[in-house]
Amino acid sequence: EAQVTQNPRYLITVTGKKLTVTCSQNMNHEYMSWYRQDPGLGLRQIYYSMNVEVTDKGDVPEGYKVSRKEKRNFPLILESPSPNQTSLYFCASTTRGTGNNSPLHFGNGTRLTVT
Amino acid sequence: AQSVTQLDSQVPVFEEAPVELRCNYSSSVSVYLFWYVQYPNQGLQLLLKYLSGSTLVESINGFEAEFNKSQTSFHLRKPSVHISDTAEYFCAVSEDNAGNMLTFGGGTRLMVKP
Repeated sequence: EAQVTQNPRYLITVTGKKLTVTCSQNMNHEYMSWYRQDPGLGLRQIYYSMNVEVTDKGDVPEGYKVSRKEKRNFPLILESPSPNQTSLYFCASTTRGTGNNSPLHFGNGTRLTVT
Repeated sequence: AQSVTQLDSQVPVFEEAPVELRCNYSSSVSVYLFWYVQYPNQGLQLLLKYLSGSTLVESINGFEAEFNKSQTSFHLRKPSVHISDTAEYFCAVSEDNAGNMLTFGGGTRLMVKP
């Protein structure tokens, strides 16, 4: 089954404790992206990757890191989480074969709480 | 740069009533337009999209949206909603030939009441 898999679904942590949220897709997609969803703000892009070893900042990259060493994986790293990073996070992917008209495929989300 | 505005954060409506969720965008180039739906505790799913051709696009569950270039709008409509349509709906725009993919609106929560 074609899917984007995020782990974990729920995570509660404390300020300053490094964490990683994993994202994996099995559709051979070139493009992957991380979003955070907050009430009233919709989805805001954190980082995106056009292909392996290529990553770029989105709208709200501060406090986050990503890597794209393999095509299928795109982990989101919070080196020193803070309470303002409490949010619902989504990973998404798509093919870029014909430009920007391909819809995104989303994971089921990771709800992160930082105390 | 592109931007998307969803004018209503919440839309309460009774079952079997018609509904319109509004979406306006700004862009200086050709765009592709999308509506995504998010059911409770799930990720976003594509509902429908406008790429080119007919300005009226339809989904399999009765929603439709019309691309209006002069008004830079892509409003989502359904003539008769069901309880199961309760969800959050996101409008998104992608600029042709842009390096990045999508910009999302703030979302509209559709609440269908019996």
